[in-house]
Amino acid sequence: GAGVSQSPSNKVTEKGKDVELRCDPISGHTALYWYRQSLGQGLEFLIYFQGNSAPDKSGLPSDRFSAERTGGSVSTLTIQRTQQEDSAVYLCASTETGGREGYTFGSGTRLTVV
Amino acid sequence: AQKITQTQPGMFVQEKEAVTLDCTYDTSDQSYGLFWYKQPSSGEMIFLIYQGSYDEQNATEGRYSLNFQKARKSANLVISASQLGDSAMYFCAMREGANSGYALNFGKGTSLLVTP
Repeated sequence: GAGVSQSPSNKVTEKGKDVELRCDPISGHTALYWYRQSLGQGLEFLIYFQGNSAPDKSGLPSDRFSAERTGGSVSTLTIQRTQQEDSAVYLCASTETGGREGYTFGSGTRLTVV
Repeated sequence: AQKITQTQPGMFVQEKEAVTLDCTYDTSDQSYGLFWYKQPSSGEMIFLIYQGSYDEQNATEGRYSLNFQKARKSANLVISASQLGDSAMYFCAMREGANSGYALNFGKGTSLLVTP
């Protein structure tokens, strides 16, 4: 597609339930990133995937968070046993390797845990 | 430690005036990249401008320019001839390392309001 696609755009879930957030990056982009943005805050890095390399999971806040990227394309971020503090906008970005170009972000998934 | 510092939580500027949004960074890498993004109320992140640490000239993109002062570790964004549509959050970000495989570290952002 023309841009980074994220689904769902909004998700309301009950505390304790698991959620899956999906990111479809720009075709050909080898690097994919997940960020979290809490209300009125900057972007917090969660995890990134680069080609077939092992992902950099250093930003994941707890073991309730995991992500996978299948076939070097679509990525799924899973949050298990959601807590109210998980409420945020989850943003996905992708980029080609090279450096000078900007990272293209999706529109995000707004997660609300009630 | 905070790698990107944006000291202005909010800024006002009158339409058609220029405005400077401050950004300082902290890194021990010699090779790094600096980015500015705009986030309007719709929430999308819009890439504005990039400056590489080895670039000798300040980056410019239309009405946006980056005042890069390497010794001071600052990368201020200058918006000339402000427009009402420039009202948004602005984030400064840094990528450390020689290739784009590294994640961006973002500052907390500056909220810009352009008034008529």
